[in-house]
Amino acid sequence: AQRVTQPEKLLSVFKGAPVELKCNYSYSGSPELFWYVQYSRQRLQLLLRHISRESIKGFTADLNKGETSFHLKKPFAQEEDSAMYYCALATSGTYKYIFGTGTRLKVLA
Amino acid sequence: NAGVTQTPKFQVLKTGQSMTLQCAQDMNHEYMSWYRQDPGMGLRLIHYSVGAGITDQGEVPNGYNVSRSTTEDFPLRLLSAAPSQTSVYFCASRGGRGGEQFFGPGTRLTVL
Repeated sequence: AQRVTQPEKLLSVFKGAPVELKCNYSYSGSPELFWYVQYSRQRLQLLLRHISRESIKGFTADLNKGETSFHLKKPFAQEEDSAMYYCALATSGTYKYIFGTGTRLKVLA
Repeated sequence: NAGVTQTPKFQVLKTGQSMTLQCAQDMNHEYMSWYRQDPGMGLRLIHYSVGAGITDQGEVPNGYNVSRSTTEDFPLRLLSAAPSQTSVYFCASRGGRGGEQFFGPGTRLTVL
């Protein structure tokens, strides 16, 4: 079955500390993976996609097909990074997106 | 470009009432979808459409209807509201199969 797992509901870190938000997926085909972010009272917006291999707002994510993971990382967390983060999988051959349950990141001063 | 717009922003219904949540996009995107967002459940797909006249069910379709008569609009209808439908509803669109999804601002629905 196709599934996206984000094991942490809440992750609290201090400002300046490294942060890693975990995402594991289950999919037999070739996945397209994304991270979306939702700041307080705002709409969801794309943060990263694995095919672009870019760094946005200091965040990076690498697709590890062996471990079926797409963890989101940032070396030094900032208070403005506090938000809800969703990992998502787009399945090839269909139009469906599958979202994880999300991780709320709180960056403490 | 307005992007994806949704109306209303907030709505309170009584059990058994019906209503339509509106969604429109001006990006000429083929693919549109409706999600509900509940604490601890993430985003769950209700219905989606791959073009005008074509819709399909997602993960949690019961109690909801959709239609897609134009590329721009994708309304979501609640036929007989139930308290279990209290949620935040997001509409999204994208141009291709694996592309970025653009989300609307959401509709916060409470069913009493």
